Amino acid sequence: RKEVEQDPGPFNVPEGATVAFNCTYSNSASQSFFWYRQDCRKEPKLLMSVYSSGNEDGRFTAQLNRASQYISLLIRDSKLSDSATYLCVVNTGFQKLVFGTGTRLLVSP
Amino acid sequence: DAGVIQSPRHEVTEMGQEVTLRCKPISGHDYLFWYRQTMMRGLELLIYFNNNVPIDDSGMPEDRFSAKMPNASFSTLKIQPSEPRDSAVYFCASSPDISGNTIYFGEGSWLTVV
Repeated sequence: RKEVEQDPGPFNVPEGATVAFNCTYSNSASQSFFWYRQDCRKEPKLLMSVYSSGNEDGRFTAQLNRASQYISLLIRDSKLSDSATYLCVVNTGFQKLVFGTGTRLLVSP
Repeated sequence: DAGVIQSPRHEVTEMGQEVTLRCKPISGHDYLFWYRQTMMRGLELLIYFNNNVPIDDSGMPEDRFSAKMPNASFSTLKIQPSEPRDSAVYFCASSPDISGNTIYFGEGSWLTVV
């Protein structure tokens, strides 16, 4: 089983839609979690950290479920500019960051 | 402020040739990471350094790959001899810590081995 797993997608949604991605991780000792965004042919960039209590940044909401070992990212009111690949990142607790393979989102007019 | 600088941005080389990728981290960042990204395997950590010392090289595919960090402002990733399956985007990243929310990537080196 992979350490971090994501549905590769693509998720095709119209502008204005709400879309959610999940990411599962295998190591229960994992300490911290993040979502990164990667645009086509660009480098990954931090989108947001994921806290146990959940956190929101504008249209983006991230949540952590330790019992089921998954994190989620919810995007409301999707914009064309949200089209990208979203990478789930887990700090496994062994001083190691593990990236998921990413979920591709395509927002259409 | 200058970000992580990688060179070359693009390289096409023939199988069997030596490839050297270079990276200049952000000044003051104690951690430097080399990642490889392919469609099939996603973003994989190859090796990372802390204060110029290699800490975890378990992701280095095989002896053909080597990485060095002779000083705080420079690192190289070398592939010798290169093979077509090494074709990928190689990202260098740096961070002041290992937390995950302060890691900055370079623009990547796009390698094609023919």
